[in-house]
Amino acid sequence: QQPVQSPQAVILREGEDAVINCSSSKALYSVHWYRQKHGEAPVFLMILLKGGEQKGHEKISASFNEKKQQSSLYLTASQLSYSGTYFCGTEGGAGNTPLVFGKGTRLSVIA
Amino acid sequence: DAGVTQSPTHLIKTRGQQVTLRCSPKSGHDTVSWYQQALGQGPQFIFQYYEEEERQRGNFPDRFSGHQFPNYSSELNVNALLLGDSALYLCASSSGTALAGEFFGPGTRLTVL
Repeated sequence: QQPVQSPQAVILREGEDAVINCSSSKALYSVHWYRQKHGEAPVFLMILLKGGEQKGHEKISASFNEKKQQSSLYLTASQLSYSGTYFCGTEGGAGNTPLVFGKGTRLSVIA
Repeated sequence: DAGVTQSPTHLIKTRGQQVTLRCSPKSGHDTVSWYQQALGQGPQFIFQYYEEEERQRGNFPDRFSGHQFPNYSSELNVNALLLGDSALYLCASSSGTALAGEFFGPGTRLTVL
């Protein structure tokens, strides 16, 4: 089952914060976050595992609520380089299953 | 480190033809996955190869087949092409450490006319 991402698109000014949500109707083992810039390959950001802690580096962090089967990606003090489409990929069951990606959230950061 | 490489970058075929796409994984990676990404959509899992065997398969017809070679490189073959097969085909490689995620190649843009 494909996870649902929200919002579909967001426009930010440099320095503003954003939250991207990813929710599933099925129990999740892990959530993977990727960013894809136009015409480029998706780039791995982080993975959150069931029972794991909130992850993050620099100004991009994420949380995973297992009970609600939801994950949120937090971008703080956004930079122009954060522009791109963000995808969450979910893994169900006990893990080791193919990732199912959402349709993506297009983030545009403007000066 | 060259990362994940794919060839060709672009390809134009006509309906009914067959196509082979190639992928070389990132150095040190032994697992290769293939994804199809339609315009404006997220990547959709086709299948994954490990130790030259298809380990997992997504919801794609048998027209989609693959192979992994002893050097871990991989091929994706699509037979009897349909217009709906037009998409970006992404190859991703990974090691046994799931925490490191998958590394994607730049993709092959396939257009079926």
